[in-house]
Amino acid sequence: QQQVKQSPQSLIVQKGGISIINCAYENTAFDYFPWYQQFPGKGPALLIAIRPDVSEKKEGRFTISFNKSAKQFSLHIMDSQPGDSATYFCAASMVIQKLVFGQGTRLTINP
Amino acid sequence: DGGITQSPKYLFRKEGQNVTLSCEQNLNHDAMYWYRQDPGQGLRLIYYSQIVNDFQKGDIAEGYSVSREKKESFPLTVTSAQKNPTAFYLCASSVRDESYTFGSGTRLTVV
Repeated sequence: QQQVKQSPQSLIVQKGGISIINCAYENTAFDYFPWYQQFPGKGPALLIAIRPDVSEKKEGRFTISFNKSAKQFSLHIMDSQPGDSATYFCAASMVIQKLVFGQGTRLTINP
Repeated sequence: DGGITQSPKYLFRKEGQNVTLSCEQNLNHDAMYWYRQDPGQGLRLIYYSQIVNDFQKGDIAEGYSVSREKKESFPLTVTSAQKNPTAFYLCASSVRDESYTFGSGTRLTVV
């Protein structure tokens, strides 16, 4: 029940296209859902996060869509650029509890 | 600037040797975490600490040890009991349920 399942494992998108990464969770007590971006040889960095009181959050080209009833959330990257090529992790947590991470998605944007 | 410093960036260990990875933060965060990342895999939790002088095992604690004598510091020792220690190790810190801040990682290789 503590798992967060992320898909796909890898994704290739053409420059200018939309990248979509999906995550699903079981624990309805989760109330914080961040996405992290990791470049090779670096630590993950927070990209965007959402709480379940909203269904969507947008920051620039990055959008989180959240479906509480389906227990799913997704990251959309609009107008994908080669610089977006990285590994993306979704995560979930309850208040004052440690984050549970998805398995990661390696995103490649072809020029 | 506040952040997390991991050292060294690269570390080589001989068979049967214990090595210690350093993690220092000046963010005044209460909680600190150690993760292991293997190629193509997600982040696996080794140990975490929510307050000074207290820590808990994560999902893959066998062969590892930690201490939390100071709020700023959370060193990880990889012992000779860890049979497959070659990996990328990430330290993180957080305040309550806020998102994690990660260090830049230490790449450990057995030679």
